[in-house]
Amino acid sequence: DIQMTQSPSSLTASVRDTVTITCRASQSISVFLNWYQHKPGKAPKLLISGASSLQSGVPSRFSGSGSGTDFTLTISSLQPEDFATYYCQQSYSTPYSFGQGTKLEIK
Amino acid sequence: QVQLVQSGAEVKKPGASVKVSCKASGYTFINSDINWVRQATGQGLEWMGWMNPDNGNTGYAQQFQGRATITRNTSTGTAYLELRSLRSEDTAVYYCARGIAGVSGTYYTNWFDPWGQGTLVTVSS
Repeated sequence: DIQMTQSPSSLTASVRDTVTITCRASQSISVFLNWYQHKPGKAPKLLISGASSLQSGVPSRFSGSGSGTDFTLTISSLQPEDFATYYCQQSYSTPYSFGQGTKLEIK
Repeated sequence: QVQLVQSGAEVKKPGASVKVSCKASGYTFINSDINWVRQATGQGLEWMGWMNPDNGNTGYAQQFQGRATITRNTSTGTAYLELRSLRSEDTAVYYCARGIAGVSGTYYTNWFDPWGQGTLVTVSS
């Protein structure tokens, strides 16, 4: 099974800051890497698929990069609505594992 | 619009079973996989299994093999997750999610979108 390791597990930042979250796979997954945003009481929302492809309707301040085993999610100029928990997920092979999540909190 | 609507919250006793439904609308049900993911309180997302609604093929994470069953009713466009022999550790929000395979940028990959609103299952004596 493929293990996904996200860091940091929590992050405190201010509005208009830029933050980066990293995700590492235990083996190469090419670009089979997705990022989701999850707010309490809501369904997770797909932000990025294929490591770097921004979903329709997602603000351009979100960007993803990487391939193989190392990936990043960058959020530029944080907005109040961006404070949430972010998860990476590998879709290379089942079981489709998630990272443990990064909780982004407002400073 | 594409939507997955799940059944309401459940409270079960240890040892019982629960069956959660997920009704799809806005797309052709048999054309996309359905996945089930859960989140225990204070924990992360855990993938449980998937189903191909067209042929009924399923796959499960090892920890749920033999205890979880995913089924569907193609006439109503509804998927189901049944979990048996419930224990307190199964208390969680259960989500269904549509699995999509397609082009991301220049690559053919797959992802989950959309997700259902979640169903809270509480296991307590």
